[in-house]
Amino acid sequence: GAVVSQHPSWVICKSGTSVKIECRSLDFQATTMFWYRQFPKQSLMLMATSNEGSKATYEQGVEKDKFLINHASLTLSTLTVTSAHPEDSSFYICSASSGNPSNNEQFFGPGTRLTVL
Amino acid sequence: AQRVTQPEKLLSVFKGAPVELKCNYSYSGSPELFWYVQYSRQRLQLLLRHISRESIKGFTADLNKGETSFHLKKPFAQEEDSAMYYCALTAGTALIFGKGTTLSVSS
Repeated sequence: GAVVSQHPSWVICKSGTSVKIECRSLDFQATTMFWYRQFPKQSLMLMATSNEGSKATYEQGVEKDKFLINHASLTLSTLTVTSAHPEDSSFYICSASSGNPSNNEQFFGPGTRLTVL
Repeated sequence: AQRVTQPEKLLSVFKGAPVELKCNYSYSGSPELFWYVQYSRQRLQLLLRHISRESIKGFTADLNKGETSFHLKKPFAQEEDSAMYYCALTAGTALIFGKGTTLSVSS
């Protein structure tokens, strides 16, 4: 089956610093990647949708200057949390889709836990 | 507005008992509905989708457009079914998730 990886799996940083999270599709080309945020014991909230080679589409209420998304290749998307603050601490999950209209299944990464001190 | 509602945070049943995880949705077009499952310490994975009309691990779900529901059912729960279950709806390519229901199956 399709595999999506995320790196790092866990990161702790100081307030004010920036953190980059990588999402890779290991065995398929992902034309579309999605970034979600999950608070403890809550559902996944879609942050943005990114298509390879184009700008990401952000959901309402998500600051695009705060959460920079780059989808430079068909196998890699990155999420950079800029000037992180404690309220940005969360579990960030990416998913990837091949974009095949007959099978638009999303494959999820294992998530990255961000803790901002 | 597009919304997925899972009214139960937690559902506890005994092994062998029937299970029904409720999901209701609101969507103005023709939705595609999914159930995702997350076992302990594992990533989210697709359990089933309504267009497939198949049974996975004994689970089935029928889309009821009249009641705007997509409840997940299994006649006899197993302990290995204990997990977090998310109902989701697709609006184009993006998935809208419900808040999830934790299913706990005990012997």
